[in-house]
Amino acid sequence: EAGVAQSPRYKIIEKRQSVAFWCNPISGHATLYWYQQILGQGPKLLIQFQNNGVVDDSQLPKDRFSAERLKGVDSTLKIQPAKLEDSAVYLCASSSRQEGQPQHFGDGTRLSIL
Amino acid sequence: AQSVTQLDSQVPVFEEAPVELRCNYSSSVSVYLFWYVQYPNQGLQLLLKYLSGSTLVKGINGFEAEFNKSQTSFHLRKPSVHISDTAEYFCAVSAYTGGFKTIFGAGTRLFVKA
Repeated sequence: EAGVAQSPRYKIIEKRQSVAFWCNPISGHATLYWYQQILGQGPKLLIQFQNNGVVDDSQLPKDRFSAERLKGVDSTLKIQPAKLEDSAVYLCASSSRQEGQPQHFGDGTRLSIL
Repeated sequence: AQSVTQLDSQVPVFEEAPVELRCNYSSSVSVYLFWYVQYPNQGLQLLLKYLSGSTLVKGINGFEAEFNKSQTSFHLRKPSVHISDTAEYFCAVSAYTGGFKTIFGAGTRLFVKA
């Protein structure tokens, strides 16, 4: 089974620029997550989708971050404009709808803001 | 709301020695528990999970964990570590609070020395 695909792997931008990340989950997985992982910390949930609907976006900074999951398959996370504190690894994960199922993670996008 | 505390930020250990990585959680409802491992520049991979049943759970790479409901703990153990076990380990708790939500601990860096 193919894993969770993310691109790009690395991105360097200047503050106030915009950036977008793409994620393709495991086929058939209804739930998709975007996490922010700051160096030395655990992943922090930004947004969770169930199919193409948002389940939880309580920790998403909505003034600058946006995400969509058109057609309930792949997803895009955007930051506009970027701030220095957005430097982090952005992880995408997916899971099946079944209760208690683990999440499968992509390798992440490492974002550096100059 | 649930929370997760990983009691050690770093654990240095010599090769072939036993290791225990500690995890405590709090939740007002029943939980599912997970341990994930993260190697440099990669996403998180599932080591093991506790859903129900036997409180001793065996995972990949020789790791095991024991669920202790009275102490609200889920410590990870391995009887003999290898250099290749050097990585970041994350404990995670999933609980139903109006929808299934997963919280990750801050991580424990396991450093295996020759």
